[in-house]
Amino acid sequence: EVQLLESGGGLIQPGGSLRLSCAASGFTFSNYAMNWVRQAPGKGLEWVSVITKSGGSTVYADSVKGRFTISRDNSKNLLYLQMNSLRAEDTAVYYCAKEPAGTLESWGQGTLVTVSS
Amino acid sequence: DIVMTQTPLSSPVTLGQPASISCRSSQSLVHSDGNTYLSWLQQRPGQPPRLLIYKISNRFSGVPDRFSGSGAGTDFTLKISRVEAEDVGVYYCTQASQFPYTFGQGTKLEIK
Repeated sequence: EVQLLESGGGLIQPGGSLRLSCAASGFTFSNYAMNWVRQAPGKGLEWVSVITKSGGSTVYADSVKGRFTISRDNSKNLLYLQMNSLRAEDTAVYYCAKEPAGTLESWGQGTLVTVSS
Repeated sequence: DIVMTQTPLSSPVTLGQPASISCRSSQSLVHSDGNTYLSWLQQRPGQPPRLLIYKISNRFSGVPDRFSGSGAGTDFTLKISRVEAEDVGVYYCTQASQFPYTFGQGTKLEIK
């Protein structure tokens, strides 16, 4: 069974940094691209970033480009999202999602990031 | 960016009756590889999104056959043949044919 478990969320002041993790199990992690998608409280879904299965290529939403960095460790089945220069508008539940070519197939339960002073 | 527009935004439905949600994209979703990466997600209250339909009309593993998807190019539809109580939630269409991936605003399905 595919399992994705996000962690690392919490309350952080504007301008601060946070690193999210997503622990994957139940599938061959290194065979899949992985994404981060976020959802602000009471709002819809917003795609954040994707990383290829090897980690060699990444793409970001304009809203986070230059501030967030996606990475992965295939030896540990872990996906990361380093978030710097956080803003109030980054407040959201962050989900990791497994992607077999063009489909956000499996989602974790999410981790809440709150940016507030 | 490709804009995904869903209608209606709210859909009160009687149990056992059909429901239909439309999704229109601002550009064709046909990828250069010939596939159309249009998916439908369901988000029940307090839950993460769950994949229902991928590449327009393919039901994901474990999804009941009362859910079906159709469409082509820029116009797509999700249909539920007979709504059950467990179908309450928000439904999103999403495209992964072009970066950035984008989502519709969501359609809230509720029981009358």
